[in-house]
Amino acid sequence: AQKVTQAQTEISVVEKEDVTLDCVYETRDTTYYLFWYKQPPSGELVFLIRRNSFDEQNEISGRYSWNFQKSTSSFNFTITASQVVDSAVYFCALSAYNNNDMRFGAGTRLTVKP
Amino acid sequence: EAGVAQSPRYKIIEKRQSVAFWCNPISGHATLYWYQQILGQGPKLLIQFQNNGVVDDSQLPKDRFSAERLKGVDSTLKIQPAKLEDSAVYLCASSAGLAGTPYEQYFGPGTRLTVT
Repeated sequence: AQKVTQAQTEISVVEKEDVTLDCVYETRDTTYYLFWYKQPPSGELVFLIRRNSFDEQNEISGRYSWNFQKSTSSFNFTITASQVVDSAVYFCALSAYNNNDMRFGAGTRLTVKP
Repeated sequence: EAGVAQSPRYKIIEKRQSVAFWCNPISGHATLYWYQQILGQGPKLLIQFQNNGVVDDSQLPKDRFSAERLKGVDSTLKIQPAKLEDSAVYLCASSAGLAGTPYEQYFGPGTRLTVT
């Protein structure tokens, strides 16, 4: 069974602080994909990143970075120097290689205060 | 490139009534998904189409939910009759990848359904 756990329900930070969103997953598959999506107040989920299970390199994209550790089944997301526009609900998701039944975590609501 | 379009954006109905949602995916995307997102939870897949064929509808409550994707483009999701627990946001997504390939999915703005 596939499962994604985002233990942090809500996080509140002040602008310019760094913040890390945790994601822990469970799967029996050896090949799988992990995703992060952002859901702003408008409601539309925005794709941020996809990572396959064979690529444990950390990735950085501007103020965003992702840390994938298979040993701890985690795929954490860090926002550096947070901005008010980063306020949203962030979802981590898991998909087996041979299907597109993406399992989402419950999400973490991030509020960045000015 | 136009994104995924959905309508209506909001719908309020009474229990036991019927309702339909419409989705127009990104042009050329073969795979289309419908998700249900209950408040405070992550989206849950209801049904997946590849072109006009159903790939996976294992989580669709078939006694009351139905979906179709005629001509492999637009799709409609129907609920008949609605129950209070159907109150949720219904999200449509599309993907350039074929079913079975974990390409990123592009989501529409969703339809917020309230059943009273």
